[in-house]
Amino acid sequence: QSALTQPASLSGSPGQSITISCTGTSSDVGSYNLVSWYQQHPGKAPKLMIYEGSKRPSGVSNRFSGSKSGNTASLTISGLQAEDEADYYCCSYTYNTTSWVFGGGTKLTV
Amino acid sequence: QVQLQESGPGLVKPSETLSLTCIVSGGSISTYYWSWIRQSPGKGLEWIGFIFYTGSTSYNPSLQSRVTISLDTSKNQISVNLSSVTAADTAVYFCARAPTMTPGRGYFDVWGRGTLVTVFS
Repeated sequence: QSALTQPASLSGSPGQSITISCTGTSSDVGSYNLVSWYQQHPGKAPKLMIYEGSKRPSGVSNRFSGSKSGNTASLTISGLQAEDEADYYCCSYTYNTTSWVFGGGTKLTV
Repeated sequence: QVQLQESGPGLVKPSETLSLTCIVSGGSISTYYWSWIRQSPGKGLEWIGFIFYTGSTSYNPSLQSRVTISLDTSKNQISVNLSSVTAADTAVYFCARAPTMTPGRGYFDVWGRGTLVTVFS
């Protein structure tokens, strides 16, 4: 069982916006921790989409944005495109075990 | 553009030691953290540990008793050894670069393509 909880699957239509949640505790997401988000297409390596909670690496579309409220971090994808169909994972540091933990992943269908 | 390439035996027998190497090309190992992360078939991601270019390490407590990460700056490569493997260690193993692993701020910005290791007798 993952330390961070994500919905197993979500779906949306092209052009719509969708938000993927990542719920943890006051020891990880809710603490002074900045979540990162990764996109993974089948058979490929994960790709960094958001770091330090809301920053986008160079080359990542501004359709992707990150935020946090309390113990829940969120990844919002606006203007959904077919290429956004992938698995998405959040990641946070946890003071419980002083290690890095990932969410269970969300399969996004467009 | 930095690239990471993992390599190692695709099959390991139970109770033996899994050994993998990650070669870094297009950039230097220096000033970065280097992590190993694995993904069991059809499952999510699990952080194994990291090594800083100075040699300092940190491991996932659930694997700490069995894992060792090392680096060779002269060869620009990072290695991981996982001892006493079982079927539960079957996974795709990724090497990843982290600009920082400061608690609360770390993230993985470059990933290798991963290598599948199957524990099989």
